[in-house]
Amino acid sequence: QKEVEQDPGPLSVPEGAIVSLNCTYSNSAFQYFMWYRQYSRKGPELLMYTYSSGNKEDGRFTAQVDKSSKYISLFIRDSQPSDSATYLCAMRALIQGAQKLVFGQGTRLTINP
Amino acid sequence: NAGVTQTPKFRVLKTGQSMTLLCAQDMNHEYMYWYRQDPGMGLRLIHYSVGEGTTAKGEVPDGYNVSRLKKQNFLLGLESAAPSQTSVYFCATNRGLFIGEQYFGPGTRLTVT
Repeated sequence: QKEVEQDPGPLSVPEGAIVSLNCTYSNSAFQYFMWYRQYSRKGPELLMYTYSSGNKEDGRFTAQVDKSSKYISLFIRDSQPSDSATYLCAMRALIQGAQKLVFGQGTRLTINP
Repeated sequence: NAGVTQTPKFRVLKTGQSMTLLCAQDMNHEYMYWYRQDPGMGLRLIHYSVGEGTTAKGEVPDGYNVSRLKKQNFLLGLESAAPSQTSVYFCATNRGLFIGEQYFGPGTRLTVT
């Protein structure tokens, strides 16, 4: 079983829709949760990260963490064609003094005009 | 500032050939990483470095070697390429305080025939 599971999609929605992207994890040592966006044939770029359970908002993006269920989500409001990309979740744990970062497989998202 | 650059962008190798991928950064970051990205597998860590002159193995190090002779450069070598090493390779950096905030290069697409 992978430590981080992410539905690869693809996910296709009309412009203006609310998008929900999700990841589940099995390792309770994960403390920080990140979302990266990767445009086609580009490197990933960090969108946002959270630490505690609850919601964190940044413009049209909201990251949600539920540590009790080991489940994180990224919501995109008023989705735009420019949001079309692959979204990767990532999680960080501190194990014996060393940081460990694990990425999900990525979800490919297409926003249709 | 160029950020993180990778050379070359594309390469086709025959089985058994060798090559070196170069990653350069101008952000003065201590930590540098090499990942490979394959469909359905997400990003997997090959090797990393926590500073000039240091290297360490990641999740999938077999068949690769690395060197960090200068702080700004991180080299990834394939001594005898195999078709299983066909992938997109990404270099990433971060200051080291929080490894979740990584800065990625544009990637190198490698095909081994």
